[in-house]
Amino acid sequence: DGGITQSPKYLFRKEGQNVTLSCEQNLNHDAMYWYRQDPGQGLRLIYYSQIVNDFQKGDIAEGYSVSREKKESFPLTVTSAQKNPTAFYLCASSIRDRADGYTFGSGTRLTVV
Amino acid sequence: SQQGEEDPQALSIQEGENATMNCSYKTSINNLQWYRQNSGRGLVHLILIRSNEREKHSGRLRVTLDTSKKSSSLLITASRAADTASYFCATDLGAGGTSYGKLTFGQGTILTVHP
Repeated sequence: DGGITQSPKYLFRKEGQNVTLSCEQNLNHDAMYWYRQDPGQGLRLIYYSQIVNDFQKGDIAEGYSVSREKKESFPLTVTSAQKNPTAFYLCASSIRDRADGYTFGSGTRLTVV
Repeated sequence: SQQGEEDPQALSIQEGENATMNCSYKTSINNLQWYRQNSGRGLVHLILIRSNEREKHSGRLRVTLDTSKKSSSLLITASRAADTASYFCATDLGAGGTSYGKLTFGQGTILTVHP
């Protein structure tokens, strides 16, 4: 079955550490996205990529970094510069330049300990 | 700032009743979409309505779009306990059929359907 897989489901980070969240899709979608969701809030766009080896900052990119070396993969690194990283992180994919309907992963819950 | 604002923030109804959620937005859109999120899970795409459409149906879902008022509504008819979830509107900014290729989400409406 085609889909989008995020791992791990739960992640704990110590102060000052960088952590990387994985997002893999086998839908042959060109575009991939990372959103952050805080409790009781909507989704805020962190980074997005419309094509391999290219990505753009979203509304809250500070303290995050991404890479898009393969069409199937769009990992997100939460760096130590992100001062309030505890949140639910959602990855999504879609047909390029269409945004007709995103397919979402099941999310990674990141907690700072 | 968020493009979409949803109303109400929370809605509690009995099974069998209809549920209506509203979404307002600020700028020109290419399309507007509604998503559902069960607690602690990813979002699921429900329905998309394009800027040149006024109404769309999918099963028990009915979506309307009023571009002059920059607003949309989602109606769930004959609700069930399994409809309990958060519902988000999302706007694909753009105009004239051209998408900017990214969605902006509202804050969501929490729907609780009591058996």
